[in-house]
Amino acid sequence: NAGVTQTPKFRILKIGQSMTLQCAQDMNHNYMYWYRQDPGMGLKLIYYSVGAGITDKGEVPNGYNVSRSTTEDFPLRLELAAPSQTSVYFCASSYGGANTEAFFGQGTRLTVV
Amino acid sequence: GENVEQHPSTLSVQEGDSAVIKCTYSDSASNYFPWYKQELGKGPQLIIDIRSNVGEKKDQRIAVTLNKTAKHFSLHITETQPEDSAVYFCAASRAFDTNAGKSTFGDGTTLTVKP
Repeated sequence: NAGVTQTPKFRILKIGQSMTLQCAQDMNHNYMYWYRQDPGMGLKLIYYSVGAGITDKGEVPNGYNVSRSTTEDFPLRLELAAPSQTSVYFCASSYGGANTEAFFGQGTRLTVV
Repeated sequence: GENVEQHPSTLSVQEGDSAVIKCTYSDSASNYFPWYKQELGKGPQLIIDIRSNVGEKKDQRIAVTLNKTAKHFSLHITETQPEDSAVYFCAASRAFDTNAGKSTFGDGTTLTVKP
């Protein structure tokens, strides 16, 4: 059982470039989340989804977009990358929402130069 | 919205001693309080959680206490071991809420257990 899988693990982007961070889970969880973690800080929620076809903004959504066409996949799109988006990105999923255990991927370390 | 404050930001203890990490929250409607452990280069992993209808929960060397009146909850690790060294995060969220996707995390505590 793979759990939550994120790709890539590392990426360097130039300012203005775009990319998609991939996230897939095989636990049949309805809820999926994207967080960013800046050095010495906690996790900030970017976007979340309560099921296929439904997404909503979190605390820091600006500069990002998401889609949820299937239960398994929840990609995060960065358009026009900026240095402020340098961070570690974590995807997570849970069975019953924020009041249940979240399972995290191993993270994607993104540097924008 | 919810605000979670976590203290201390760093904690160093000798192997075998106890470690205590404290969190306070602002939203009285929050009723689920998980603790996550993040090892270097990995994603956070749940170690224990507590719901608002319970004041204390234990799992071997780990315990969590909740004071709803004061709006704070704490993680207690006894008989610490070097493998307990990691970053620990607390979080708060509401159950059965239309915004059920939103957890608020503390900024983390880096625990170092010295052999």
